[in-house]
Formats: sequence, structure tokens, C-alpha cells
Amino acid sequence: QQQVKQSPQSLIVQKGGISIINCAYENTAFDYFPWYQQFPGKGPALLIAIRPDVSEKKEGRFTISFNKSAKQFSLHIMDSQPGDSATYFCAASDGGATNKLIFGTGTLLAVQP
Amino acid sequence: DGGITQSPKYLFRKEGQNVTLSCEQNLNHDAMYWYRQDPGQGLRLIYYSQIVNDFQKGDIAEGYSVSREKKESFPLTVTSAQKNPTAFYLCASSIMGITDTQYFGPGTRLTVL
Repeated sequence: QQQVKQSPQSLIVQKGGISIINCAYENTAFDYFPWYQQFPGKGPALLIAIRPDVSEKKEGRFTISFNKSAKQFSLHIMDSQPGDSATYFCAASDGGATNKLIFGTGTLLAVQP
Repeated sequence: DGGITQSPKYLFRKEGQNVTLSCEQNLNHDAMYWYRQDPGQGLRLIYYSQIVNDFQKGDIAEGYSVSREKKESFPLTVTSAQKNPTAFYLCASSIMGITDTQYFGPGTRLTVL
């Protein structure tokens, strides 16, 4: 119930291509869905986040698509660049009193030049 | 500069020794969190604190202890009872009641020899 399932585990994309990472959840109380980007040896940094009242959010080359009925959300990276090579984590939270985040297992993205 | 600092960046300890990881934030955030990250796994919550002198166990609290004597500090002690302590430890903080966003520190890599 509390899990967030993320796929694929790893992804190789050519420069200029589209990277797509998917996540699924079970808990319908989740109301906040962030994506974090992590470079090796560094802490994760918030990339983009969405709430269930919208189906899509775009920030630059990064877009979250959200499907409330399917309980799925995905990250799309347009025009992928070698600098985007990192590990990406999806997460979910039910807000409430604790702000606890439940993280997916991560996707290692490699963008080949 | 506002942010979260963790020290040290690398830490080596002998098996059976307790070790304390430092986490300090000057963002005036109410809540602080400790996560453990292992290869191929997402971030798992160890402990969190929403207010000074109060903290709650996360999903994998066994073998760990924390304190929250000051708003800006949330040290984590990895005790000898933790069976597999070698991991990357991440501290995060957030504002309660306004946003769900958690901001992460740079992490401490603990290796137990």
C-alpha cells in the first residue's frame, strides 16, 4: 500500500532523444508526487513535482504526466543531454502532519553523445 | 549561503563501534529527516523530527538513534546493533505545513570495516 514502483531500473538514451521513466502507486491518499535527480556522490535535488489536480506539469525540458485513475505518473525528459545522466527517483507523499516521502527504487539514466 | 551540511563526507569505522553523523541546516526548517541509500534501492526513512525534542521512527530505525536538541541540528548515531551499517546516509529538511518539498544534504558515505 505504501510502495512506489519505478521502472525501468536503467535507461540508455541517445543525445536529443526522449527519456521516459514510469512510477506507479497504490495509496490513493498520496497527493504530492516529486521527482528527484541525483548525481554520483551527491544528495538528491528536487527536479519537478505535481499534485493530482493536474494531469501534466512542464518545466523546461522536463514534464510530469499524471494519470490519477491508473495511479501512475511519469517523467519525460525531452531533448536529453549527456548532462542529464544521473539517477532519477520518483516519490509520493500524503502530506498530512509528517511530510513523509515514499521513494521509488531509482532509474539510472545514461545519455550517450 | 542557506543549506544543509553533512559531515564528514566519508567515514570509516571498525565493526562494533558506534558512530555519529552530523546534519546541520540554516534554512529555519521545522522538519528534518534521515535516509539510508543502498545501491539499487530507493531512499529508506530512518528517523524524522518535526519539532525540537521530538522525533519518530521511520521504516528502518533499528540500530539507529537520533536527537533533536536544536532546530538546526539532527545528528544520527549508527550503533553497533545495526547489522549492515555500510551505506550512503542522507539528511533532509522541510518546512512543515506549507510545502511537501524536502531538501537534501550532500550525504555521508559510511564504511564499516
